[in-house]
Amino acid sequence: GQNIDQPTEMTATEGAIVQINCTYQTSGFNGLFWYQQHAGEAPTFLSYNVLDGLEEKGRFSSFLSRSKGYSYLLLKELQMKDSASYLCAVRDSNYQLIWGAGTKLIIKP
Amino acid sequence: NAGVMQNPRHLVRRRGQEARLRCSPMKGHSHVYWYRQLPEEGLKFMVYLQKENIIDESGMPKERFSAEFPKEGPSILRIQQVVRGDSAAYFCASSPLTSSSYEQYFGPGTRLTVT
Repeated sequence: GQNIDQPTEMTATEGAIVQINCTYQTSGFNGLFWYQQHAGEAPTFLSYNVLDGLEEKGRFSSFLSRSKGYSYLLLKELQMKDSASYLCAVRDSNYQLIWGAGTKLIIKP
Repeated sequence: NAGVMQNPRHLVRRRGQEARLRCSPMKGHSHVYWYRQLPEEGLKFMVYLQKENIIDESGMPKERFSAEFPKEGPSILRIQQVVRGDSAAYFCASSPLTSSSYEQYFGPGTRLTVT
């Protein structure tokens, strides 16, 4: 079966750094996505990785290791508005997106 | 460029009624995806459509649920004889025909409540 694992919930402090991990087991791999979803809103695209390594975009970075079936999303200089769920999704060999259940990130002052 | 539009944003139906959810993809996008999300849970894929074609409906319940994406007009997700367990947020996403990353753009969702 296909499986995406993420921690259910994480807590971090404003101004700090947090790393959200995602491990996956899918039938094939055609890229990994990270989305942010605020409560009651639609998911919005954050990052896309298809090759191994780190992709940096402002305060957010995403890392991929295909051999380990592993990715992480790194958020720096945390702000209160970063409180949201972070969804990891993998595109499989049929180009279908398989979604993790999401990690709820709580930012404390 | 308008984003993905969904309507209605909120829909209340009594058990046994029909629910029709509409999705207009972004301009130039010909791929539409429907997802269901229960409270505190992740997105569950339901169906993937292109114009006039259902490409993958492996996530759609076999009964009561149907989807279409006609040549003209929005994509429709139809739920017949709704039950309380159908209460959820239903998100539509679209992607362009050609894209190096095949990123999906999400609509605001329709929140269905079955009473």
